[in-house]
Amino acid sequence: GEDVEQSLFLSVREGDSSVINCTYTDSSSTYLYWYKQEPGAGLQLLTYIFSNMDMKQDQRLTVLLNKKDKHLSLRIADTQTGDSAIYFCAETPNNAGNMLTFGGGTRLMVKP
Amino acid sequence: EAQVTQNPRYLITVTGKKLTVTCSQNMNHEYMSWYRQDPGLGLRQIYYSMNVEVTDKGDVPEGYKVSRKEKRNFPLILESPSPNQTSLYFCASSLHPGLAGTYEQYFGPGTRLTVT
Repeated sequence: GEDVEQSLFLSVREGDSSVINCTYTDSSSTYLYWYKQEPGAGLQLLTYIFSNMDMKQDQRLTVLLNKKDKHLSLRIADTQTGDSAIYFCAETPNNAGNMLTFGGGTRLMVKP
Repeated sequence: EAQVTQNPRYLITVTGKKLTVTCSQNMNHEYMSWYRQDPGLGLRQIYYSMNVEVTDKGDVPEGYKVSRKEKRNFPLILESPSPNQTSLYFCASSLHPGLAGTYEQYFGPGTRLTVT
């Protein structure tokens, strides 16, 4: 079946850039997403990218997609302490309707 | 305010005692779904519903039931809870697949369940 993997933990200093990486196995993925989960809260969609795109930029967020390597990354520029959260990569396999397959989540810690 | 609500937010129960976690959305979404979140495993889908009276199994349906009698509500039922169902549960909703384009799902705040 589909598999989505992320590293568990990332620590950066405030003001630096953060790069969170994700790999997936399903080559038929149509949409790939980044969700943010703050402590005690549900998941919030941050951004998404269509599988026929290489890059998407949205203010401080840049998503890069390498379809050949099945690698997705999320770059957060000028990381702030409010960015501390768990970030989940997710994909929607082709013809799977709204079924999302999530990675295990990367906990981002931003040090002042 | 558009939102997905879940009740209760926290629940401690004993093995075998039936429980229901409610989920309600006020966005007139057709699609609703239940996930469980366990450390290092991300979110795994339990059940989903494409519309009223239409439900289907997700990746980890064993030990759970759902119903969709009304569009806004999608309760999760544990007929005989066991300790391996101790987890954080999220309900989500979205527009019908294929119409929204982005497939954005709106998540509830979560229900932390402990089964002893």
